[in-house]
Amino acid sequence: DAGITQSPRHKVTETGTPVTLRCHQTENHRYMYWYRQDPGHGLRLIHYSYGVKDTDKGEVSDGYSVSRSKTEDFLLTLESATSSQTSVYFCAISDLTSGKVGELFFGEGSRLTVL
Amino acid sequence: SQQGEEDPQALSIQEGENATMNCSYKTSINNLQWYRQNSGRGLVHLILIRSNEREKHSGRLRVTLDTSKKSSSLLITASRAADTASYFCATDLGGGSEKLVFGKGTKLTVNP
Repeated sequence: DAGITQSPRHKVTETGTPVTLRCHQTENHRYMYWYRQDPGHGLRLIHYSYGVKDTDKGEVSDGYSVSRSKTEDFLLTLESATSSQTSVYFCAISDLTSGKVGELFFGEGSRLTVL
Repeated sequence: SQQGEEDPQALSIQEGENATMNCSYKTSINNLQWYRQNSGRGLVHLILIRSNEREKHSGRLRVTLDTSKKSSSLLITASRAADTASYFCATDLGGGSEKLVFGKGTKLTVNP
């Protein structure tokens, strides 16, 4: 299995509090992604990173920020959590295959509940 | 709206039957990928097909890609109860795109 660890795996928090989810990889892959998964919506891309300090927005980036200060760590921060951010968050990593982004390796997910 | 859309949303079959799932997308792509997700787990990569390929096989999986119709299909032959899972297609957005976007998935139930 690809070395990806998400923490925490479960978190319950209150509206308005800040939350940080961490994704740690041991594969030295260039690309790291944060997705959220909600019933009826599948997986939606929040932010991704293509290198240290290099990040870009996905489909649903409002209310989220990310940071990547080291190759192995990609942090997702909810500055002020809202109930609409209750979801399961997945981190994924990837590298180039024939010059294009290849297969994604996923973490086990972080279940966040915002009350 | 999402780049990829799977069809059907849900599929229930008997063990031993074949299961076919379809994916349609909107933009040009470099490659298309299929993933599987067991309940409560992360997604697992099944197969990647490049835009210049038309068909690819991996064990009991057969994937086709029709770039003129912007569609792909995943066929699972001789299905087993253990194939019960959700299946997702994922595409990039062509060119130098580094984003991978997913459809909403097909929930497959294989009855023993």
